[in-house]
Amino acid sequence: EAQVTQNPRYLITVTGKKLTVTCSQNMNHEYMSWYRQDPGLGLRQIYYSMNVEVTDKGDVPEGYKVSRKEKRNFPLILESPSPNQTSLYFCASGPMWEQYFGPGTRLTVT
Amino acid sequence: SQQGEEDPQALSIQEGENATMNCSYKTSINNLQWYRQNSGRGLVHLILIRSNEREKHSGRLRVTLDTSKKSSSLLITASRAADTASYFCATDGSGGSNYKLTFGKGTLLTVNP
Repeated sequence: EAQVTQNPRYLITVTGKKLTVTCSQNMNHEYMSWYRQDPGLGLRQIYYSMNVEVTDKGDVPEGYKVSRKEKRNFPLILESPSPNQTSLYFCASGPMWEQYFGPGTRLTVT
Repeated sequence: SQQGEEDPQALSIQEGENATMNCSYKTSINNLQWYRQNSGRGLVHLILIRSNEREKHSGRLRVTLDTSKKSSSLLITASRAADTASYFCATDGSGGSNYKLTFGKGTLLTVNP
């Protein structure tokens, strides 16, 4: 089944404790991206990747890192999470004209 | 900054009625897409309209694009309770980047049985 998977789906952590949210797709897509969704703000793009080893900043990259070492995986790294990074995170892949979204990761930073 | 802005923020209608949502954007685009999100879940692609197109249809969906006004509308005809969801427009090609995809804040549609 063609899909985008994210792990974990839910995470509660404390300020400053490094964490990684994984994203994997099985559709051989070149383009992948990360978004955060906050009430009243819609979806905002954090980082995107056009292909392996090619990444660029979206609209809200501060406090996040990404890597694209393999085509199927695009992990999101929070080196030192802060409470303002509490949010619902989505990974997506696909051509620019049709994105496939993962199920989301709900992150709470206390 | 947000490229797409949906209007209205929330819309409540009766089953069988038509629902119209609008999206405005600020800079030139390559494509405009509409997505649907059921509460807290991942977005699902509905329809794409390219900058050189004016209207597209897909089932009960009709999308229009007016590049002179930098706006698009999504019409859902004969709505059903199952259409209850948030709807987002997304644009690419804004700000000179062909790889950035920018979403609006969404319209929450409630279809009452």
